[in-house]
Amino acid sequence: SQKIEQNSEALNIQEGKTATLTCNYTNYSPAYLQWYRQDPGRGPVFLLLIRENEKEKRKERLKVTFDTTLKQSLFHITASQPADSATYLCALETGSQGNLIFGKGTKLSVKP
Amino acid sequence: GAVVSQHPSWVICKSGTSVKIECRSLDFQATTMFWYRQFPKQSLMLMATSNEGSKATYEQGVEKDKFLINHASLTLSTLTVTSAHPEDSSFYICSASPSMSSYNEQFFGPGTRLTVL
Repeated sequence: SQKIEQNSEALNIQEGKTATLTCNYTNYSPAYLQWYRQDPGRGPVFLLLIRENEKEKRKERLKVTFDTTLKQSLFHITASQPADSATYLCALETGSQGNLIFGKGTKLSVKP
Repeated sequence: GAVVSQHPSWVICKSGTSVKIECRSLDFQATTMFWYRQFPKQSLMLMATSNEGSKATYEQGVEKDKFLINHASLTLSTLTVTSAHPEDSSFYICSASPSMSSYNEQFFGPGTRLTVL
């Protein structure tokens, strides 16, 4: 069955630095992969979607890469701010009705 | 942007009672809605997928008779937890997808915190 892993449970960085989060998957070749932000006690908020034929996607200070050979996606936040502190989830489609499976998330803390 | 609401935002109930959670897409029609459950420090786990006007598709290990899903309109899906027990206490989150296209993102509700005493 598909497996998705976000290696770091938590990541602490200094304001202004670039945060890099990793998402690895096995036993599947998804057509696309998504990244979400989740704040405590709230539902996830969609950030970016990257398709299998795209190497990189950008949105403001966010950048996502997708390496289908390594079966890995990297999520970058440049010029990080304390307001970026949250849990970031990656999700991949399972090929069935648009269903997604989610990683456990990486809790990012940006210190001023 | 697309907005999904959930009601109630939290609920506390006694063991053995049933609880209904509503999920509404406020500014778009949702052909498909998804129900997830999230335990503390765990990932979102998909419970079931519901398409308007048809029966829900449940994930393996999710009891369809315990978690009743009704997707009666293109803007409303309900999840009823029947005969709730303390182990059902969790954060329940719904999401809605505007179409059947596999490239569409899901828009999530704010979640419902269920505590069963």
